[in-house]
Amino acid sequence: AQSVTQPDIHITVSEGASLELRCNYSYGATPYLFWYVQSPGQGLQLLLKYFSGDTLVQGIKGFEAEFKRSQSSFNLRKPSVHWSDAAEYFCAVGAGQTGANNLFFGTGTRLTVIP
Amino acid sequence: DTAVSQTPKYLVTQMGNDKSIKCEQNLGHDTMYWYKQDSKKFLKIMFSYNNKELIINETVPNRFSPKSPDKAHLNLHINSLELGDSAVYFCASSQVGGFVVRGRNYGYTFGSGTRLTVV
Repeated sequence: AQSVTQPDIHITVSEGASLELRCNYSYGATPYLFWYVQSPGQGLQLLLKYFSGDTLVQGIKGFEAEFKRSQSSFNLRKPSVHWSDAAEYFCAVGAGQTGANNLFFGTGTRLTVIP
Repeated sequence: DTAVSQTPKYLVTQMGNDKSIKCEQNLGHDTMYWYKQDSKKFLKIMFSYNNKELIINETVPNRFSPKSPDKAHLNLHINSLELGDSAVYFCASSQVGGFVVRGRNYGYTFGSGTRLTVV
């Protein structure tokens, strides 16, 4: 069965510091992996996705993520965090090849940025 | 132009009422979804429609009934609302039925959510 684990419920970083949000997945086939961000009171915005090819994926807002099959991980990184990055971050794995797809989400990591 | 739009954005209603949430997408996608985000921010799929046909129907109370009049619309009707129905409901759409189709990558586009509060 598919599942996604985000081990860190809440992370606090200083503005300008680097960031890494962890994501581990469980899926029997080739995973389709996503990172979404949800700002307070807002909807879900896609940061980046991995389908195949280069395992280092660049996204919007200066984020990147690296797919490591051996570790079943898809960690999100940013070299220098801005105050506007404070939000909830969700990792998801996509499953399904026909009919319709299903996104299985992790429980999210809340990012707080301090000045 | 909003790609996936939901109305209303906020909905406050009393227990026992019947309410609907509407969703429309102008992306030409074939598949639409409803997700529920609970108070702990956990997101879980409820329904999926592909070309007006129900594809995924997760374990949700039968008080929830999706309706897809055409492939650009997927509405969610909820009967006899309960306190536990309070959540944020997200509509989403995607192209065709797979994430990778004929070499092209597809993903989801989410709406901005409807915050339902049952009092």
